[in-house]
Amino acid sequence: GAGVSQSPSNKVTEKGKDVELRCDPISGHTALYWYRQSLGQGLEFLIYFQGNSAPDKSGLPSDRFSAERTGGSVSTLTIQRTQQEDSAVYLCASSSLAGAPDTQYFGPGTRLTVL
Amino acid sequence: AQSVAQPEDQVNVAEGNPLTVKCTYSVSGNPYLFWYVQYPNRGLQFLLKYITGDNLVKGSYGFEAEFNKSQTSFHLKKPSALVSDSALYFCAVSSTGAGSYQLTFGKGTKLSVIP
Repeated sequence: GAGVSQSPSNKVTEKGKDVELRCDPISGHTALYWYRQSLGQGLEFLIYFQGNSAPDKSGLPSDRFSAERTGGSVSTLTIQRTQQEDSAVYLCASSSLAGAPDTQYFGPGTRLTVL
Repeated sequence: AQSVAQPEDQVNVAEGNPLTVKCTYSVSGNPYLFWYVQYPNRGLQFLLKYITGDNLVKGSYGFEAEFNKSQTSFHLKKPSALVSDSALYFCAVSSTGAGSYQLTFGKGTKLSVIP
């Protein structure tokens, strides 16, 4: 079956512009996660959605970052007034059950470059 | 707080030789441990996980990992390395309790298999 998809695969933007990154989880998966992977670093948790529950936003690095998940499926991560330090690969994952130990399945990521 | 350490940034091994990629962790509560692999310009692919039970876990592509509670380790192993195993490997941990969905990743180990 189809895996997690993300778009765009690459995004180049100018400092100060807003960007939107999209994630389409595996059909039927109720849990959705966003991570950020910076060069030479591991993955940094950003936000978690589970069904209709309030999302866990504890990993968002600043109030310029926000995310929503419409209809319990597609999610959009928005970065306002982008900064050069926002340059990274943004990865989305989904799982069929909430919480550990369910396996998270990852999309290919969106590589964001802020000039 | 939970954490993962991958002490080696890079591991080089000759094709056909056994390989080991090291991982140690720190959690409160029982750990859930995962290994993922990332090929260039790709998302993370799930290899295997430890939840409970046998300490030796077998996963995809001939990989296995051994959970050692006393040493808080979960090293990834393969008896005979292939050139195609060359990639970036991530160890991750979560645990029981609140926030158990939140995976904490190591910084990754780059594996190079030399023909």
